[in-house]
Amino acid sequence: EVQLVESGGGLVKPGGSLRLSCATSGFIFSSYTMNWVRQAPGKGLEWVSSISSSSRYIYYADSVKGRFTISRDDAKNSLFLHMNSLGAEDTAVYYCGKDLGLAVAGPIEFWGQGTLVTVSS
Amino acid sequence: DIQMTQSPSSLSASVGDRVTITCRASQSISNYLNWYQQKSGKAPKLLIYAASHLQSGVPSRFSGSGSGTDFTLTIRSLQPEDFATYYCQQSYSTPLTFGGGTKVEIK
Repeated sequence: EVQLVESGGGLVKPGGSLRLSCATSGFIFSSYTMNWVRQAPGKGLEWVSSISSSSRYIYYADSVKGRFTISRDDAKNSLFLHMNSLGAEDTAVYYCGKDLGLAVAGPIEFWGQGTLVTVSS
Repeated sequence: DIQMTQSPSSLSASVGDRVTITCRASQSISNYLNWYQQKSGKAPKLLIYAASHLQSGVPSRFSGSGSGTDFTLTIRSLQPEDFATYYCQQSYSTPLTFGGGTKVEIK
């Protein structure tokens, strides 16, 4: 059974940093593109970042480029999102997602339960 | 960036109804169109990928069609568990973009 479990969310002050983790199991992690998608309270889905197998291709939304860094540890079957210079607009539930494997990025076949990041003073 | 426009933004329907949701891309995306279902407080669930391919385990009352810029998600006979918000997403190019969502409510 595929499982994705996010952690690391919480309350952070504007300008602060946070590191999200996504622990996975049930599939060959190293073979798949992994993604982060976020959802602000009461809003729609927003793609944040994708990282391909072997970290060969990395993509970011313009809204986070230069502030967020996606990475993966294939030995630990884990995905990470390092977030710096956080602002109120980054407040959201952050989901990690396993790609279906059709292309370099998308669609997202399996999703974690999400972790809430709240940026507030 | 490719903009995805869904319509309607919400609809009311009864159990057993046929429901159609449309999604339009701002440029051609071939068949790189996916549909997700999200229930309140839960993670999204992949329903349809590559415009018309039913994801494993998804009931056959769901279907997708279209190519280029215009796409449709159809629920043949709406069931109580189908009341949710539906999102389209293009995976033709990054940034991957989602439509604004269609909330399907009980009439």
